[in-house]
Order: sequence, then structure tokens, then C-alpha cells
Amino acid sequence: GAGVSQTPSNKVTEKGKYVELRCDPISGHTALYWYRQSLGQGPEFLIYFQGTGAADDSGLPNDRFFAVRPEGSVSTLKIQRTERGDSAVYLCASSARPTTDTQYFGPGTRLTVL
Amino acid sequence: AQSVAQPEDQVNVAEGNPLTVKCTYSVSGNPYLFWYVQYPNRGLQFLLKYITGDNLVKGSYGFEAEFNKSQTSFHLKKPSALVSDSALYFCAVRDIGNDMRFGAGTRLTVKP
Repeated sequence: GAGVSQTPSNKVTEKGKYVELRCDPISGHTALYWYRQSLGQGPEFLIYFQGTGAADDSGLPNDRFFAVRPEGSVSTLKIQRTERGDSAVYLCASSARPTTDTQYFGPGTRLTVL
Repeated sequence: AQSVAQPEDQVNVAEGNPLTVKCTYSVSGNPYLFWYVQYPNRGLQFLLKYITGDNLVKGSYGFEAEFNKSQTSFHLKKPSALVSDSALYFCAVRDIGNDMRFGAGTRLTVKP
């Protein structure tokens, strides 16, 4: 079946602009996660949704970052007033249930802020 | 918080030789441990996980990992490496809040 998909695959923007990154999880997966991976590092947790609600947003670096999942399926990560330091690969993952279930990752969106 | 460490940035092995990629963990409570592989410009692919049960876990592509509670380790192994195994490998632990905490990664290079 279809895996996790993310769009766009690449996004180049200018400092100060607003961007939206989209994640389409595996059908039926109730848990959805966003991570950020900087060059040469492992992914870092940003936010976790269980259904429509953000169960844990402790990884969001500041209030410029926001994510939604209004219908419990597709999620959008929103970044306001982008900064060069936001440049990274943004990964989305989903799992059937939280806790012990495996998280399956999408291919990521590479964000470059000029 | 839970954490994992991958002490080696780089591992080089010859094709056909056994490989080991090391991971140690620090958790409170029962550890839920995972290995993922990342090929260039690709997302992370799940290899295997330890939740409970047998200490030797078998996963995809002939990989296995041994959970060692006394040494707090979860090393990834393969009896005979292939050139196509060359990639970036990440160890991860499920944190209390259900997110994953990843190591910094180990780049495996298998030479013909």
C-alpha cells in the first residue's frame, strides 16, 4: 500500500517568508509525527498528533512553528517568518497507534531558506 | 528523558565480512528500541525493533540486533555485508511522550 507522502519534496524560500509543508500519512494511522533533520544529525522531534489533536508539541522550537491536522489525516507544518536556521529536511512519520507501534517515515521536504 | 548514543560516526567493512553498528541507550523504564536506515535523499526506512521478548531481534535485509540489558546496548549486526548496505544508520528509542529520540547516526561503508 501507499506509504507516507510529503509535499513538496523541495522548497526554497527567502528569509522572512511563510511556508507550509504537507504530510499525508498511511491510511488508517491515527498517530502522526513531525521531525526535523539538520545536516549530519539525527532527526529531532517537533510535534506529535493523536487524531486531530496535538498530543505533544514540546519539540517545536518557537512560536513561529505551528502544525495542524484538522481531520485526523493530512497534516500541515507551518513556519512563519522563516530564518536561515530553519533550513533542514522536515520528516513526517505515522503509526497505527502510539507507544510500541513502528513509525513509518515519508521521504521528507528539504527546506532551504536563503 | 530517554536517549541513545552511537559512538561511531563511521564504520568501514569489506563485502562479505560481518558488520556491527553500535548503539547504547539510557532509559527509565522499559526500553523500546529501533533501528532505521537512510539512503541518500531518502526518508528513514524501518529495519527492526525491540519491545519485549527475545533479546535477538531479526529484521529486514538480513539485519539483526541484540538487546543487552546489562550493557544497555542494542547493536545492529549482519553476518555478511553487501555493498548495497552502505548507508546511514540510526538507532532510536521511544520516549515517554511517544516521540522518537534518535542517535546522531553511523555511516556504514561496505567496500567491494
